[in-house]
Amino acid sequence: DVKVTQSSRYLVKRTGEKVFLECVQDMDHENMFWYRQDPGLGLRLIYFSYDVKMKEKGDIPEGYSVSREKKERFSLILESASTNQTSMYLCASSFGHRLDTQYFGPGTRLTVL
Amino acid sequence: DQQVKQNSPSLSVQEGRISILNCDYTNSMFDYFLWYKKYPAEGPTFLISISSIKDKNEDGRFTVFLNKSAKHLSLHIVPSQPGDSAVYFCAASRKGAAGNKLTFGGGTRVLVKP
Repeated sequence: DVKVTQSSRYLVKRTGEKVFLECVQDMDHENMFWYRQDPGLGLRLIYFSYDVKMKEKGDIPEGYSVSREKKERFSLILESASTNQTSMYLCASSFGHRLDTQYFGPGTRLTVL
Repeated sequence: DQQVKQNSPSLSVQEGRISILNCDYTNSMFDYFLWYKKYPAEGPTFLISISSIKDKNEDGRFTVFLNKSAKHLSLHIVPSQPGDSAVYFCAASRKGAAGNKLTFGGGTRVLVKP
């Protein structure tokens, strides 16, 4: 059974803080993704990675960076959190083929005050 | 500009009746479409997909229809059950996209009343 875990379910941070969101998958998937979910906007892709140390910008990368030092772990970094980054953050992973299913973690609800 | 749109933010249906969820897309390069279902406090889970070479795909109570000329797809749930109450996201994959990058719609919240 595929398992994607995220380090926190709820997080509250202050404006300007550096924030780390961690994601771990146990299925040896090549691809990993970070999305944010906002009402009416659905899921929007922030960054994705198709291999260790490889990353590509998604649709809304501004204000975010990522790190993938190990195949199973993909981190999302908010260098200086802002209130407009308050959102639900979802991590996903999949095998490398374009039609492979993405499996999602439970999400992290981040509030930036 | 949203390339995948779900114009109905919510839908309420009686148990046992049909639920019809709609999705429109603008990018003609999309050739693979998926529906994901999301319960509160959980991540989305894959429900059903369809390739652009087909116009219908069925899996139990769930059927997805694709109309390429109209750039429109729909998900039918028959019969609807209370456990189907969730948010449903339509997603699309583009030919030539790196990895398996998906573009999602805004979601439709379905409430099935007992």
